Amino acid sequence: SQKIEQNSEALNIQEGKTATLTCNYTNYSPAYLQWYRQDPGRGPVFLLLIRENEKEKRKERLKVTFDTTLKQSLFHITASQPADSATYLCALGDNFNKFYFGSGTKLNVKP
Amino acid sequence: ETGVTQSPTHLIKTRGQQVTLRCSSQSGHNTVSWYQQALGQGPQFIFQYYREEENGRGNFPPRFSGLQFPNYSSELNVNALELDDSALYLCASSDRYIYNSPLHFGNGTRLTVT
Repeated sequence: SQKIEQNSEALNIQEGKTATLTCNYTNYSPAYLQWYRQDPGRGPVFLLLIRENEKEKRKERLKVTFDTTLKQSLFHITASQPADSATYLCALGDNFNKFYFGSGTKLNVKP
Repeated sequence: ETGVTQSPTHLIKTRGQQVTLRCSSQSGHNTVSWYQQALGQGPQFIFQYYREEENGRGNFPPRFSGLQFPNYSSELNVNALELDDSALYLCASSDRYIYNSPLHFGNGTRLTVT
């Protein structure tokens, strides 16, 4: 079955720096990959989507890369702010809109 | 645009009991998915419903069942509750006709089984 790995250790960075989160997967060829943000006690919120034939996507301070050869996606937040502190989840999607999530990485941005 | 709403927000049940969780999809969405999220873990896919029929299922036993209604609202039923069923249950709606449609989640029902 598919395996999706995100760094289980929290990522602690200083405000203003770039945060980079990693999502690795095995035994799967996703049609696309999405990133979500989840705050404590809340449901995940969609951030960005990248398709299998795309290398990079940007939205404001967010950037996602997708390397299907390495089976890896990187999620970057530039000029990070304390308000960016949350858990970030990657999700792999198939052609039927079904998703498989990683366990998430907690980001702490310190002022 | 009305978002996804779930009820109840919290629930405490005893092992062996049955529970029904409810979800109201975002308006305009025709597909609903249910996920189980244990503490410190990512959401695990339970099943998806489209046109009132189950349209895919994750690795969950038959005691997890669901319904989707004509107005696209949905229920998740769990029979013979076990302690390991304690988790946050998330409902998510999406539009099947939009390829790569993102999931719109509710804030979940926190189920505690004692």
